[in-house]
Amino acid sequence: GQNIDQPTEMTATEGAIVQINCTYQTSGFNGLFWYQQHAGEAPTFLSYNVLDGLEEKGRFSSFLSRSKGYSYLLLKELQMKDSASYLCAVMDSNYQLIWGAGTKLIIKP
Amino acid sequence: IAGITQAPTSQILAAGRRMTLRCTQDMRHNAMYWYRQDLGLGLRLIHYSNTAGTTGKGEVPDGYSVSRANTDDFPLTLASAVPSQTSVYFCASSSGEDEQFFGPGTRLTVL
Repeated sequence: GQNIDQPTEMTATEGAIVQINCTYQTSGFNGLFWYQQHAGEAPTFLSYNVLDGLEEKGRFSSFLSRSKGYSYLLLKELQMKDSASYLCAVMDSNYQLIWGAGTKLIIKP
Repeated sequence: IAGITQAPTSQILAAGRRMTLRCTQDMRHNAMYWYRQDLGLGLRLIHYSNTAGTTGKGEVPDGYSVSRANTDDFPLTLASAVPSQTSVYFCASSSGEDEQFFGPGTRLTVL
């Protein structure tokens, strides 16, 4: 079967760095996506990885290792507005997204 | 219209009633999707459409139907609502292989 695993909840301090991990087992791989979802709102796209390595976009970076079925999202210089759920999703061989349950990130002052 | 819109924003519905959730996009995306999101679970795909005139079943299609008469609109119909269909419903669109863009969601409660 297809499976995406990520931690349910994480807590971090304002100004610090946090890494959110995602492991996956899917039928085929056509890329991995990270989305941010604030409470009561729609998911919004953060990053896309299809090749191994690190993609950096401002305070956010995303890493992929296809051989290990592993990705992480790195958030630097945390701000209170980064309190949200972070969703990991893998595009399978049919170009459908398989979603993890999301990681709720709580930022403390 | 800018992006993707959904209507209604929220709805309380009696069990057994028929309900259509509307979704419209103006990005000329070929692919559109309907998801439901429940607490503790990931987004689950209900139905999808890769292009106007075609639809497919996702992970949880039972009790739902869709149509795709044109590129812009992708309505989702609950023929006879049941309490287990209480959820937040998101419509999304994409060019096919790129990121999906989501509508604001419809919060549905079936009593």
